[in-house]
Amino acid sequence: GENVEQHPSTLSVQEGDSAVIKCTYSDSASNYFPWYKQELGKRPQLIIDIRSNVGEKKDQRIAVTLNKTAKHFSLHITETQPEDSAVYFCAAIDTGANSKLTFGKGITLSVRP
Amino acid sequence: EAQVTQNPRYLITVTGKKLTVTCSQNMNHEYMSWYRQDPGLGLRQIYYSMNVEVTDKGDVPEGYKVSRKEKRNFPLILESPSPNQTSLYFCASSPGLVWVEQFFGPGTRLTVL
Repeated sequence: GENVEQHPSTLSVQEGDSAVIKCTYSDSASNYFPWYKQELGKRPQLIIDIRSNVGEKKDQRIAVTLNKTAKHFSLHITETQPEDSAVYFCAAIDTGANSKLTFGKGITLSVRP
Repeated sequence: EAQVTQNPRYLITVTGKKLTVTCSQNMNHEYMSWYRQDPGLGLRQIYYSMNVEVTDKGDVPEGYKVSRKEKRNFPLILESPSPNQTSLYFCASSPGLVWVEQFFGPGTRLTVL
């Protein structure tokens, strides 16, 4: 089955700096890669996703890049703000084979004011 | 308002006492899923359902049961809870086979003594 790993487990940045969170996956057939943000005490919410037919997707201050050859994808947050502090989960799935979404363990991002 | 609801939100129980956590969505979604969230382990899928009367095991199904008799409801049943099932549980739903955002419920904090 799919195995998704996130590195590092925690990340601290200064407000205004950029943050990059990386994930690797094991199943080369995986073709859908969402990122979820979970604020303290709240439910996870989708912030961006990417499908395997594109290499990059942007939405305002966040972007996701996908390297299918290396089997990794990254979340990029520019001009970080304190409200970006949260746990970020990446996930992967082969939508043609099954409907089981595999999540990484999550990364805690802290943005220092 | 489109939403996923879970009940109860908090529950403290004792080993062996059967319990049910309800999940309901009002978005006519076909796909529903249960996750548990534990520190350092991220989100792990327990069971999922592609449609009414169709359920399948996720990564950690042991000790849990589910049913999908109606499209809107997907209850999680713990027949004989044990302390290792103490966790934060999330129900989620999404429109169907075309992968888009999963909408998470507010979570149920379960403690088994």
